[in-house]
Amino acid sequence: AQSVSQHNHHVILSEAASLELGCNYSYGGTVNLFWYVQYPGQHLQLLLKYFSGDPLVKGIKGFEAEFIKSKFSFNLRKPSVQWSDTAEYFCAVIHPEGKLIFGQGTELSVKP
Amino acid sequence: DAGVIQSPRHEVTEMGQEVTLRCKPISGHNSLFWYRQTMMRGLELLIYFNNNVPIDDSGMPEDRFSAKMPNASFSTLKIQPSEPRDSAVYFCASTSGYTDTQYFGPGTRLTVL
Repeated sequence: AQSVSQHNHHVILSEAASLELGCNYSYGGTVNLFWYVQYPGQHLQLLLKYFSGDPLVKGIKGFEAEFIKSKFSFNLRKPSVQWSDTAEYFCAVIHPEGKLIFGQGTELSVKP
Repeated sequence: DAGVIQSPRHEVTEMGQEVTLRCKPISGHNSLFWYRQTMMRGLELLIYFNNNVPIDDSGMPEDRFSAKMPNASFSTLKIQPSEPRDSAVYFCASTSGYTDTQYFGPGTRLTVL
């Protein structure tokens, strides 16, 4: 079965530190990949997505992700985090039938 | 566009009562998804519709759960009877294409006492 794995359950960083959140998926075919963010008490919002083309995808708020097909990975990065980036981050992949398969989420806490 | 609209935003009910959650997808979107989020299980897909037709309800936990989409602009998720373990945040999402970006509503926080 298709699955998405996020390596870190909880990441704690200081402001200005660099961020990388790992995401691996199991499906071997063509995939559409997403990162969603959920700020405390809010709904999921799209951070960025990859459908095809340049494997380095830029999203909102300075986030980017790199699709590495050979590694089945879609890691999320940000060079310098801010306190306002404190949130839970979800990697997701679209199943061929249209179901969005989520990873278990990574909680990011940024200390001011 | 107003985005995906869900109501109510918060619902507190007693065990055994019927609960109905409502969702209005983004206009023009033809796929609608219901998710449940809990601390223990994370985000779970319950059911999804395409062109108002249920495609996959394998995520619906029990017969107590049912979902309908009578038209392209409205869907309901019903729990009858509700139980304390149903307490969760229920999200609705819609998309214009099967594999396109899903846009999420604000969620309904359900508490069953």
